[in-house]
Amino acid sequence: DTEVTQTPKHLVMGMTNKKSLKCEQHMGHRAMYWYKQKAKKPPELMFVYSYEKLSINESVPSRFSPECPNSSLLNLHLHALQPEDSALYLCASSPGMAGGPGGQFFGPGTRLTVL
Amino acid sequence: GENVEQHPSTLSVQEGDSAVIKCTYSDSASNYFPWYKQELGKRPQLIIDIRSNVGEKKDQRIAVTLNKTAKHFSLHITETQPEDSAVYFCAANSGGYQKVTFGTGTKLQVIP
Repeated sequence: DTEVTQTPKHLVMGMTNKKSLKCEQHMGHRAMYWYKQKAKKPPELMFVYSYEKLSINESVPSRFSPECPNSSLLNLHLHALQPEDSALYLCASSPGMAGGPGGQFFGPGTRLTVL
Repeated sequence: GENVEQHPSTLSVQEGDSAVIKCTYSDSASNYFPWYKQELGKRPQLIIDIRSNVGEKKDQRIAVTLNKTAKHFSLHITETQPEDSAVYFCAANSGGYQKVTFGTGTKLQVIP
């Protein structure tokens, strides 16, 4: 399996809802990432997990809570989001560090709409 | 932190012509420069990358050049085809190499 998968593909939620995004990879990669991408913009890094430990948090608001239950899974828990949080949320994994050869493998993303 | 600038923001070429996208970076410690292609509604995909100990790398119709002194790197696509139409992002590593900083993107349109 050489793909990163994400569920759900689309998510619509109210500002008081709690929801979770899920990401899975079975390539043995030990680094996993969450990105946020707005239309016509580059991916914006949110979190980096290395060997299942959070190594980078790019000053993301606490209404976004990441979790790495094991080396293949990455979750992003959402609570009390704002309409401006509506975006495409991309998960990625890499065989080494993102800044090293081999690059990152991206999932198809979850299109999130906050009403 | 690292800052990556990318030009042009949009590029239209006739099928069969060449396309060149240019990026500059600010952190002299950066040593890895990937390029990603993102088709409309799809995920970004790595198309080519280069390390700082190499000045040029080719893969079929795609090539990347790097000028470390000037902190410039460029993507060259020859014999463009309609399926090359997409947004292309350059990137440079930073932050202890655990992350990359993306450029702002170039929307390439290949006109048949």
